[in-house]
Amino acid sequence: GAVVSQHPSRVICKSGTSVKIECRSLDFQATTMFWYRQFPKQSLMLMATSNEGSKATYEQGVEKDKFLINHASLTLSTLTVTSAHPEDSSFYICSARVQGAETEAFFGQGTRLTVV
Amino acid sequence: EDKVVQSPLSLVVHEGDTVTLNCSYEVTNFRSLLWYKQEKKAPTFLFMLTSSGIEKKSGRLSSILDKKELFSILNITATQTGDSAVYLCAVGRRGAQKLVFGQGTRLTINP
Repeated sequence: GAVVSQHPSRVICKSGTSVKIECRSLDFQATTMFWYRQFPKQSLMLMATSNEGSKATYEQGVEKDKFLINHASLTLSTLTVTSAHPEDSSFYICSARVQGAETEAFFGQGTRLTVV
Repeated sequence: EDKVVQSPLSLVVHEGDTVTLNCSYEVTNFRSLLWYKQEKKAPTFLFMLTSSGIEKKSGRLSSILDKKELFSILNITATQTGDSAVYLCAVGRRGAQKLVFGQGTRLTINP
């Protein structure tokens, strides 16, 4: 199956700093990628849909200035958590589906962010 | 509003038991239903179902979709401790790339 690579897998940062998470589709082109957040023992919460070459579409309640998404190429989307606070600590996962194909969504390995 | 509901939310059984996990949905323009297994990291794909009544099987796992009654089940027979995980159900819609996820079922298999 297709491979989605997410980096880093784990990051610890200080309050007030920004953290960038990368999501790459390794063997297919992904015009659309998805960013999820997952709290402990809860399901995946869709934060935003990342569209190559255009602005991301954010779900209700997600601050677009807080969670900056850039999808500059067909294989790379980035999520930047700006001015991170301890409440931003969470597990962030990206996924992508092959455009136009009836396939499953492929997930990255996830990034565990801890803000201290 | 699109909705995917899984039940039970949590299940604890003994090794060797058979379990059935449920997923019901209410979405417009249904296209497909997917099952994922999530252990400690990202979800791994199990099945994708698009047609009613056709069982998909992989080893001890199987799944079937009922598009009339709007639900799917995931069966695991002869459970093992390695089956302990959160099982997620997601629904895809026509004309939309994003998936709608259920809350997940946390399955614990005790030895």
